[in-house]
Amino acid sequence: DGGITQSPKYLFRKEGQNVTLSCEQNLNHDAMYWYRQDPGQGLRLIYYSQIVNDFQKGDIAEGYSVSREKKESFPLTVTSAQKNPTAFYLCASSTGWVQPQHFGDGTRLSIL
Amino acid sequence: AQRVTQPEKLLSVFKGAPVELKCNYSYSGSPELFWYVQYSRQRLQLLLRHISRESIKGFTADLNKGETSFHLKKPFAQEEDSAMYYCALSGTSGTYKYIFGTGTRLKVLA
Repeated sequence: DGGITQSPKYLFRKEGQNVTLSCEQNLNHDAMYWYRQDPGQGLRLIYYSQIVNDFQKGDIAEGYSVSREKKESFPLTVTSAQKNPTAFYLCASSTGWVQPQHFGDGTRLSIL
Repeated sequence: AQRVTQPEKLLSVFKGAPVELKCNYSYSGSPELFWYVQYSRQRLQLLLRHISRESIKGFTADLNKGETSFHLKKPFAQEEDSAMYYCALSGTSGTYKYIFGTGTRLKVLA
C-alpha cells in the first residue's frame, strides 16, 4: 500500500562517506519525522518538520542533516560526522505535530 | 527529565489470560499518550491514543495523571496479539517532544 515509502531498504556506508536516505509520503501530511532505532533503546527523534522549508532538530541531530523542499519528501543525510551511524532508521508523517504518526518500513544502515 | 518508561522488555502470557503492558511517563505539562504496535514483518502502526478513549482489537488504555501511567490492557489475550508494543508521548510544553518508550515484546502462548 502507499503511505510512506523509504528507500533503500538496506544501505552500506564507507568510512568518511555521506549517505542520503529517502522518505516520500503521499498522505498529504504536513509534518514529517526521522527516528533512529537501536536495540533496546526504542525510537529516538533525529529531526522533524512541521511544514515545507522548515525543520527542527530532535534529540540526536548531531551528524545528520535534512531538507524539506517539497511537502511529500523529507530526505535524511547521514554525514561523516556521525561516528556511530549503524542503526535502523524510520521515517514518519502526521497531520500535525501531536497527532498519531504513520511510519515507513525503515532503512537499515551499516558501515563497511 | 521527560521520558517514557516501559519496564518490561518481554511479557509472556497464555492465550485467554489477561494482559497488562505497563507505561509510565514523566512530562511537565499535558501530554498526548499513544500506544503503537509492530506485528511481525509489518510497519509500526498506531494502536490507540488516550483522547479517543476507544477499544481497538480489545485493548484499552486509561490515562492516570496521578500515577503518570498509561497501561495497555486486554482481558483475554489472543495469539495474534503477539507483537512489539511501544508507548509514546507527545507534547509542546517547552520544546516539542515526541518520545517513545523502549518497547515491550508480548508473546501469547498457545
